[in-house]
Amino acid sequence: QSVLTQPPSVSGAPGQRVTISCTGSSSNIGAYHDVHWYQQFPGTAPKLLIYGNNNRPSGVPDRFSGSKSGTSASLAITGLQAGDEADYYCQSYDSRLSASVFGGGTKLTVL
Amino acid sequence: EVQLEQSGAEVKKPGESLKISCKASGYSFSTYWIGWVRQVPGKGLEWMAFIYPGDSDIRYGPSFQGQVTISADKSISTAYLQWNILKASDTAMYYCARGAAYAEGQHDFWGQGTLVTVSS
Repeated sequence: QSVLTQPPSVSGAPGQRVTISCTGSSSNIGAYHDVHWYQQFPGTAPKLLIYGNNNRPSGVPDRFSGSKSGTSASLAITGLQAGDEADYYCQSYDSRLSASVFGGGTKLTVL
Repeated sequence: EVQLEQSGAEVKKPGESLKISCKASGYSFSTYWIGWVRQVPGKGLEWMAFIYPGDSDIRYGPSFQGQVTISADKSISTAYLQWNILKASDTAMYYCARGAAYAEGQHDFWGQGTLVTVSS
């Protein structure tokens, strides 16, 4: 059971918009700690997709965006492409654990 | 260019010890957190342990305190992860990742991964 809860899977058709939720608690997301998002393709290392809730590293398309409210955060992907099919993970710091934690991960399927 | 070069795959027996490494280059090693993320085959990412080489401040994930030891050698810009007694359940891919200048930050660069297989 992860400290941060994500849906196991989401899906969407090419061109559509999908969102992936990340639900935490008052000791992590709700404690004003930043949320970061990672994208991972099979057999490869994770890649930073969003940092500090809503910032994109250089090279990440603006089709990817992040938001945060209360004890939850979301990753939105617009203009869905076949190449977006991957696993997505959220991450935040937990004050009670004095450590960072990852969500359980969400598998995105492009129909 | 920031790079994290991890040591090669390992095959060990239960009860044996192991130390894997991650050599960093392209940035000031002492001023960023660096550490390890575990991924059991077919499962998600688990935040294991991170160290701030500048002052050796260490944070362990809740499932890993007492199970592994993280260390760093500033003179050669290398981080390590060590097990004293391996178990079959330690079989996983281990990624080295750079953190930010503060403990709560993101992991912007990742190593290629070190596959550890523990089997009798």
